[in-house]
Amino acid sequence: KAGVTQTPRYLIKTRGQQVTLSCSPISGHRSVSWYQQTPGQGLQFLFEYFSETQRNKGNFPGRFSGRQFSNSRSEMNVSTLELGDSALYLCASSLGTSNPETQYFGPGTRLLVL
Amino acid sequence: KNEVEQSPQNLTAQEGEFITINCSYSVGISALHWLQQHPGGGIVSLFMLSSGKKKHGRLIATINIQEKHSSLHITASHPRDSAVYICAVLTGNQFYFGTGTSLTVIP
Repeated sequence: KAGVTQTPRYLIKTRGQQVTLSCSPISGHRSVSWYQQTPGQGLQFLFEYFSETQRNKGNFPGRFSGRQFSNSRSEMNVSTLELGDSALYLCASSLGTSNPETQYFGPGTRLLVL
Repeated sequence: KNEVEQSPQNLTAQEGEFITINCSYSVGISALHWLQQHPGGGIVSLFMLSSGKKKHGRLIATINIQEKHSSLHITASHPRDSAVYICAVLTGNQFYFGTGTSLTVIP
């Protein structure tokens, strides 16, 4: 099976712009979770989508949003970008049918905000 | 306040050494994950534990639920083990992450 894929891999934006990141899960996986990784804060959980519904949410402002499509692909959107949003954004997929279960991570999208 | 604490933050070892990385947590958990992140960002899930001990090749992970502590051991370390190792706990449906242990294994 193909692994989790994320696009784009690298992105440069300026403050105030908005950005959309994409994640395609492993075939058959219905849960997609998003994480932000920065040198200062480490890895932090953003949100999880399952069957097109947000199932869990971390402590991030409303500028961070997401959605999931019927084919389980997920997008994450960040509006009004700030310098502090520069980070590696990782998504992970899992079957989503049991708790706990192993998550499979994508390679990440590295976002730089100037 | 960090829900998950890892030690050490940095670790340098000679090839062949036995390595231990520790993780302590302060919340009730349903599972604990050990993750490996290589330069470039890719993350691999090494273990998912809810009790006892798991072994995969040269890697061993243990968890003590009563003491809220887990350890990751690497036997006969190799330079390809050089990576950041991250402890993550699942509480409810949310993950909390340790800050990671950066391991360098010198040939």
